[in-house]
Amino acid sequence: DAGITQSPRYKITETGRQVTLMCHQTWSHSYMFWYRQDLGHGLRLIYYSAAADITDKGEVPDGYVVSRSKTENFPLTLESATRSQTSVYFCASLAPGTGDGYTFGSGTRLTVV
Amino acid sequence: QQPVQSPQAVILREGEDAVINCSSSKALYSVHWYRQKHGEAPVFLMILLKGGEQKGHDKISASFNEKKQQSSLYLTASQLSYSGTYFCGTESLNDYKLSFGAGTTVTVRA
Repeated sequence: DAGITQSPRYKITETGRQVTLMCHQTWSHSYMFWYRQDLGHGLRLIYYSAAADITDKGEVPDGYVVSRSKTENFPLTLESATRSQTSVYFCASLAPGTGDGYTFGSGTRLTVV
Repeated sequence: QQPVQSPQAVILREGEDAVINCSSSKALYSVHWYRQKHGEAPVFLMILLKGGEQKGHDKISASFNEKKQQSSLYLTASQLSYSGTYFCGTESLNDYKLSFGAGTTVTVRA
């Protein structure tokens, strides 16, 4: 199916464990983004990527790592999960210059216990 | 720095109008508006580029005052389907990175 998909939908992990959230898009959009959403803070940018092999930090990158070896995939890894990383994570993609905005995935609800 | 949205919440009866404001401390290249239903992903509504352009989407429209670094979203003759949380996303450097406001929760009642 065309679109942007995130997996898993829900994840519970323990403090200190490494966890990877997956994001896959089928449109070949050049830009991809990871945001976290917390009550009272709206959406905050963690990392973004302008193209394969080009990534850069956003507003809240500490504790996270990204990679983008292929245009369609943009995984987000929490190297050593902490309780403060409990959040809903949204991946988004964008085709620049089209006049369209972001298309968001369905989100991953991550709980760190 | 995240833009400031106001009000935080608004309750409407069907058919009433509302305005949501978004204000930034930085010069803006563009403003996006999104709506998010509970438990779902944000959905793109419209984008406004610098130049004071006003856009419309059904009975939802928006304006962008570049000089004041502000944007407003207008909900006209609200419908039950307009309920949700509205976010503005601001872009300062033409780099496609958005900073989002904290959101405005709109509840439309019959």
